[in-house]
Order: sequence, then structure tokens, then C-alpha cells
Amino acid sequence: DTAVSQTPKYLVTQMGNDKSIKCEQNLGHDTMYWYKQDSKKFLKIMFSYNNKELIINETVPNRFSPKSPDKAHLNLHINSLELGDSAVYFCASSQDSPKGEQYFGPGTRLTVT
Amino acid sequence: GENVEQHPSTLSVQEGDSAVIKCTYSDSASNYFPWYKQELGKRPQLIIDIRSNVGEKKDQRIAVTLNKTAKHFSLHITETQPEDSAVYFCAASKGGSQGNLIFGKGTKLSVKP
Repeated sequence: DTAVSQTPKYLVTQMGNDKSIKCEQNLGHDTMYWYKQDSKKFLKIMFSYNNKELIINETVPNRFSPKSPDKAHLNLHINSLELGDSAVYFCASSQDSPKGEQYFGPGTRLTVT
Repeated sequence: GENVEQHPSTLSVQEGDSAVIKCTYSDSASNYFPWYKQELGKRPQLIIDIRSNVGEKKDQRIAVTLNKTAKHFSLHITETQPEDSAVYFCAASKGGSQGNLIFGKGTKLSVKP
């Protein structure tokens, strides 16, 4: 069974479009995350979310918005896509406290043309 | 906020040699320090972690050391093998539910047979 899954695995779209990436975890974890990994392999936290609070990295444009229909899902919506949004996006989850291992999804490679 | 510096950015060793990757962090409140390994095209996976009440932790060929006074921690891999070739990320976080992981920029390790 896959612990953290993401769909789609690849996403190619044009500038200006709106797209979503879905994430699901079956680990019963409290907290979920979205990371962006750029072409230089830098891993940057975008959001962390549990059923109490959303923490947004201040550098993330407001075109990006996480939406959590329930504890096991955290989807990422991106509006008005730009070329610079091209990257691999990883979802992850962890038990809330004490801080422990984060389990990453397989990643979604987003290409904006 | 927290800032994590990681060195070197690339490291090439001969099979059987040891490899050492070093990280420094800026926030003295950080108390959890994991290391992730990311193989090409794959997701990051936790290989070892250490908490601030421990100075050293070992798991077979992998060890991590932590110096809280100097705010640095290191990953040591002994008897390297070609399958150790990957990008390694260090990270730091504070305790509590909102202590997000801040990653270093990664070290690409190449082990030559």
C-alpha cells in the first residue's frame, strides 16, 4: 500500500492555466505538507497544514492555495500558471508531535510552457 | 527564521572510502535534525535523524553527530558503496506542531566503483 500518493505524476500545461495536484496519505498522520523542488534540487516548504492551522511560507505567491477536504488529503491549487512554476512538487505527511519522520509522495513534475 | 547551510554541494569518493557532509543551522531553538536521501527521480527518504538531547547516533554504516553549541551537525557514511550515490539533504526544525523542516541545499554524492 502506498503511504503518500500524488496525482498526476506528470503535468504539462500552458501559461495562464489553472491546475490542481492531489495528495492522499493513509498513515493516519496529523500534518501534511507541500514542497517545491526546483531544477537545482532545492527543497522548499510551501505549506504545512493540520486540522488546526495552515502555515504558509511567506515567499509563496497567493496564486498557490492548499485545500484539505479531510485529514487524509491536501490538494494544491495553482492559478494563472507561470513559467517559473515549473518544478517537481512533493506532498508529505508526518505525525504532529513530537516531530518525526516526514513521508514524501512520489512527486508531480509540473511543466509550464 | 531558520537557515540551514550544507557543504559540500558535490562530493565524489572512491568505493570503500568514507564520506562526510556538514550542515550548520541558525536558530538555537531547533531541536530535530533529520537527513534525507534522494535517488535520481525518486522521493526523499529519511535515512537517520537526531534530536538535541543526543550528541551522536549510529545506524550500521551511517552516523550523525550534533554539536548544539556550535550549531552544526554532520552525516558520516563509512565503507561507501555505489548504491550510496544520491543527493543527501540535511534539515532542521523546532519542536511542536508548526516546526517545519528547513532543508539544506543538498549534497550530490557520487561513489565511484
